[in-house]
Amino acid sequence: GENVEQHPSTLSVQEGDSAVIKCTYSDSASNYFPWYKQELGKRPQLIIDIRSNVGEKKDQRIAVTLNKTAKHFSLHITETQPEDSAVYFCAASKRLYGGSQGNLIFGKGTKLSVKP
Amino acid sequence: GAVVSQHPSWVICKSGTSVKIECRSLDFQATTMFWYRQFPKQSLMLMATSNEGSKATYEQGVEKDKFLINHASLTLSTLTVTSAHPEDSSFYICSASEGWGAGANVLTFGAGSRLTVL
Repeated sequence: GENVEQHPSTLSVQEGDSAVIKCTYSDSASNYFPWYKQELGKRPQLIIDIRSNVGEKKDQRIAVTLNKTAKHFSLHITETQPEDSAVYFCAASKRLYGGSQGNLIFGKGTKLSVKP
Repeated sequence: GAVVSQHPSWVICKSGTSVKIECRSLDFQATTMFWYRQFPKQSLMLMATSNEGSKATYEQGVEKDKFLINHASLTLSTLTVTSAHPEDSSFYICSASEGWGAGANVLTFGAGSRLTVL
């Protein structure tokens, strides 16, 4: 089955710097890659997602890139702010026979700390 | 946007008792709901997939007789931890998906339920 590896497990950056979190997946059939942000004690929130028919997607300070050949995708946060501090999870899923979408398989998470 | 309500947010129970956790989609019909377990500082581990009107699909290693899941309507799924033991103490989170196709995996998460078994 699908396996999603996420690195690094912890990341500390200075406010204003960029942060990059990388994930690799094993199943070449995976076609949907969301990123979730989970603040301490709160629910995961979808911050950005990308489908396999595009290579990059951007939303203000957040961007995600996808390399299907290498089977990896990355989250890029620019001009980081203290409120970006949280745990970030990547995930992957694939389309199943019949057209439905398979379950999301999550990476182990990256704890991002943005120091003021 | 889509909202998922999960209740209770925090529950403490004695060993051997059963606990029910509810997950409701408030403003959309959730054909599929997912139940996760999250240990401290760890990722979300999918326990089971719940489809309205049918039996839940459990992940390998998850005891279906221990974790009873019912998805009786398009807006409600329940997880019952039966005969709870201290090792069942964890953070349980549900999520809901609105349907098939492009929107099928856009998940909305509940706020989670912290279970502590004494």
